[in-house]
Amino acid sequence: AQSVTQLDSQVPVFEEAPVELRCNYSSSVSVYLFWYVQYPNQGLQLLLKYLSGSTLVESINGFEAEFNKSQTSFHLRKPSVHISDTAEYFCAVSPRDDKIIFGKGTRLHILP
Amino acid sequence: GAGVSQTPSNKVTEKGKYVELRCDPISGHTALYWYRQSLGQGPEFLIYFQGTGAADDSGLPNDRFFAVRPEGSVSTLKIQRTERGDSAVYLCASSPTGPNTGELFFGEGSRLTVL
Repeated sequence: AQSVTQLDSQVPVFEEAPVELRCNYSSSVSVYLFWYVQYPNQGLQLLLKYLSGSTLVESINGFEAEFNKSQTSFHLRKPSVHISDTAEYFCAVSPRDDKIIFGKGTRLHILP
Repeated sequence: GAGVSQTPSNKVTEKGKYVELRCDPISGHTALYWYRQSLGQGPEFLIYFQGTGAADDSGLPNDRFFAVRPEGSVSTLKIQRTERGDSAVYLCASSPTGPNTGELFFGEGSRLTVL
C-alpha cells in the first residue's frame, strides 16, 4: 500500500521569504507524485506533478518540487512567497494506473 | 459550466436519514472519483469509476455507502442510515482518461452535516 506523510500541519512564513513544505511517501512500486493546492473557499487544483523524466518540476507561479527516489521525498519549495500563496497544500501519490492518495495537508500562512 | 459541479453544496440531515450527493463531471471525462475530506485531514479516497463501472471501490467505509454512474457521466453517492461520523465534505473529481493522466479536476464539494 502507498502512503503520504506531510510532517508540518502549518507553516508560517514572512512575505518574500523562502518556504519549503515537506512530503515523504511510501511505496513498493513506481509512483506518480503531485502537489495540489486549495485556496480559501475554492476547490482543490493541481499545482505540479512528476510523472517521469526530469526530477525537478515547476509550476507557473514559481513553486518547484524535486523527486528524490533515495529519500522517497517530493518537497515543495518557493524562493519568495506572496500573500496570494496563502492556501492549504496537499502532497499526493499514485501508483501508476491506480487511485491518487493524499496527505493530510500543510496550511501555509504568509505573515506581512 | 466548464468545471465539475456538485450538488447540493450543503446538506444538513438527521441521524438515520438517507442522503444523495450528485456530481456532474467535466464533459468528456471518462474517469470520476469520490473523496471524503474531514476537518484537518486530506481527501480520503472512496471510489473511482471508469465509464459506467466502478474500477475501484475499496475506499467505501461500509455497505451504507454506494455510488452509481449509470450513463458514464453524472454520478450519485448514496449514504443510507447516516451517522454523525459521516459528517464531512464529499469531493468529486474527474479526469480525461484515468489515473495515469496525473491530474484530477475537483468540484467544490458537498458539505454533509449529520445531526
